[in-house]
Order: sequence, then C-alpha cells, then structure tokens
Amino acid sequence: QSVLTQPPSVSGAPGQRVTLSCTGNSSNIGTHYDVHWYQHLPGTAPKLLIYGNINRPSGVPDRFSGSKSGASASLAITGLQPEDEADYYCQSYDSSLTGPVFGGGTKLTVL
Amino acid sequence: EVQLVESGGGLVQPGRSLRLSCAASGFTFDDFAMHWVRQAPGKGLEWVSGISWNGGNIGYSDSVKGRFTISRDNAKNFLYLQMNSLRLEDTALYYCVKGEGTSWYIPWFDLWGQGTLVTASS
Repeated sequence: QSVLTQPPSVSGAPGQRVTLSCTGNSSNIGTHYDVHWYQHLPGTAPKLLIYGNINRPSGVPDRFSGSKSGASASLAITGLQPEDEADYYCQSYDSSLTGPVFGGGTKLTVL
Repeated sequence: EVQLVESGGGLVQPGRSLRLSCAASGFTFDDFAMHWVRQAPGKGLEWVSGISWNGGNIGYSDSVKGRFTISRDNAKNFLYLQMNSLRLEDTALYYCVKGEGTSWYIPWFDLWGQGTLVTASS
C-alpha cells in the first residue's frame, strides 16, 4: 500500500486530454512538500517529467503540466500521443516516514 | 554523456549479502546527493536510501534500515549499496538515482540509471 494514492489505470484516445491524480495527507502533500512526476516506459529508466509541482525540465513538452491543491496533485497531458503510453508516478516527501515517498503508479493507455 | 550505470546485481540466497555499484559520468558527481530506488516485480517505485554530496548525511527507508549501507567515493565517481541479510522481499530492480541538490533530504530525482536486478531466492 503506497503512501500516495494514484488510480491504477487511465486511458484516452489520441489527441485527447487526460488527468492523473495523486492524493496524499497531512504528512506529505498536505503540508508544504512539493510533488514531482515521473514517466516510466517498461525496460527504460524513469524520466523526470514535472518537479516542484508545476515545473518542466528542459526537453519535456508543454503538453505535460502539473498542479497541486491541498493534499492532492494532478498531472495533465493534452494532445495525447501513442508514445505517451507509460506508467506515471508521483513523488513527494513524508515527514512521518522521514523520507521520499512514491505513489503506486498509474498506467496510461492510449486507445 | 550524462549517465548512471549500475552493476553488481544477481541471484543470492536469503540471508546472504550483495554489493551494488553505480558509476556516474557526465556531471560533477560531488555536487549532488545520490539515492537508490527499487522496483519489485509488478510493483511501484520505492525509495531505499539517500546520501548527501559529501557522505555526511544519510537516510534509509524503514524496510532496509539496519541491513543496507549506502556509501560513495567522490574521487572515483561511484555510489554503492551494501545489502546484508537479504530477504525474499528485497527482490527488485535497483536504480541508481541522482538528486537535484546537495542534500538527500526532500529531493526530486532528475537522472536515473537503467537498474540492476537483485533476486533473493533459495
């Protein structure tokens, strides 16, 4: 059972917009700790997608955007493309566990 | 090229030890904290341990505390994970990961290796 809760799966058609959620509590996202997002294609190294809730590293398309409100965060992907099919993980810090924590991951399927 | 390359994984009996290594290149290794993150088969990502830029501060997850030891050699640009008293549940792909700052505390992870597989089985 992961500390941060993500839906196991989300799907969308090419060109559509999808939103992936990440829910925490008062020990992590609900305080001042930032949320970060990673894209993981099977057999490859995970890739940083969003850091500090809303920031994109160089090279990440602006189709990807992040937001945070209260104890939850979201990753939005617009103009869905076949190559976006991957597992997506949110990550934050937990003061009770005194360490970084991940969500269980969401598998995005592009129909 | 900026990269992290892990090695040292393999099949090991429960209760035995294994040492993972990670070779870093393409960036100033001793400017950044480093971490190990693992992924058990069919499961999500789990942070294992982190070490500050100079090795002065270290953190472990509760699941490995007292059994695993993280260390680094800044002269050689290497990160290590000594794993003792291995358990079946330690079976996972272990990733070497670069943090974005000098402290392992409250990080995000901006560079990942391809991982090395550790299988604890009798």
